Amino acid sequence: DGGITQSPKYLFRKEGQNVTLSCEQNLNHDAMYWYRQDPGQGLRLIYYSQIVNDFQKGDIAEGYSVSREKKESFPLTVTSAQKNPTAFYLCASSIGGQGSYGYTFGSGTRLTVV
Amino acid sequence: GQQVMQIPQYQHVQEGEDFTTYCNSSTTLSNIQWYKQRPGGHPVFLIQLVKSGEVKKQKRLTFQFGEAKKNSSLHITATQTTDVGTYFCAGPSNAGNMLTFGGGTRLMVKP
Repeated sequence: DGGITQSPKYLFRKEGQNVTLSCEQNLNHDAMYWYRQDPGQGLRLIYYSQIVNDFQKGDIAEGYSVSREKKESFPLTVTSAQKNPTAFYLCASSIGGQGSYGYTFGSGTRLTVV
Repeated sequence: GQQVMQIPQYQHVQEGEDFTTYCNSSTTLSNIQWYKQRPGGHPVFLIQLVKSGEVKKQKRLTFQFGEAKKNSSLHITATQTTDVGTYFCAGPSNAGNMLTFGGGTRLMVKP
């Protein structure tokens, strides 16, 4: 069954620590995205990638970094520079960049700073 | 820049009542998409509309794309508790090769 897998489901981070969120898809989609969602809020784009070895900043890229070394994988690192990282992080993928036929989302990672 | 606005932000309805959410874009869209996110879950793609004036139905859900392709609506007839969640519209961004999402409408249904 094809889909997107995000791990871990829950993650706790200490102050000053970098953490990496995993996102893997087996849909053969070219484009992948990372969104941040705060409680009761909408989706804010962090980074996106249209092709392997290329990615662009979204609206709130500061304090985050990504890589796209393989088509299937698009990990997100939340660095210590991100001052308020507690949020729900969603990874998505699509066939084309503008989501023709829709985005497929993973089940998300809930990150909490302790 | 391009904006996609949704109203209302929240809606409480009694089970059995109808519900409508509206989506408005500041620019003309080549298509509009709708997603549903259940509480604690992730957004799930519902439908894509492409043609001006297009109307599509999925059981009790009716989706419309405006004639000018700048607005859209989602109407739910006779809501059920299973309809609870946040409904997002999204359209292709003119700032890059991606979608711009509206802020969502959170639907709460009282049994």
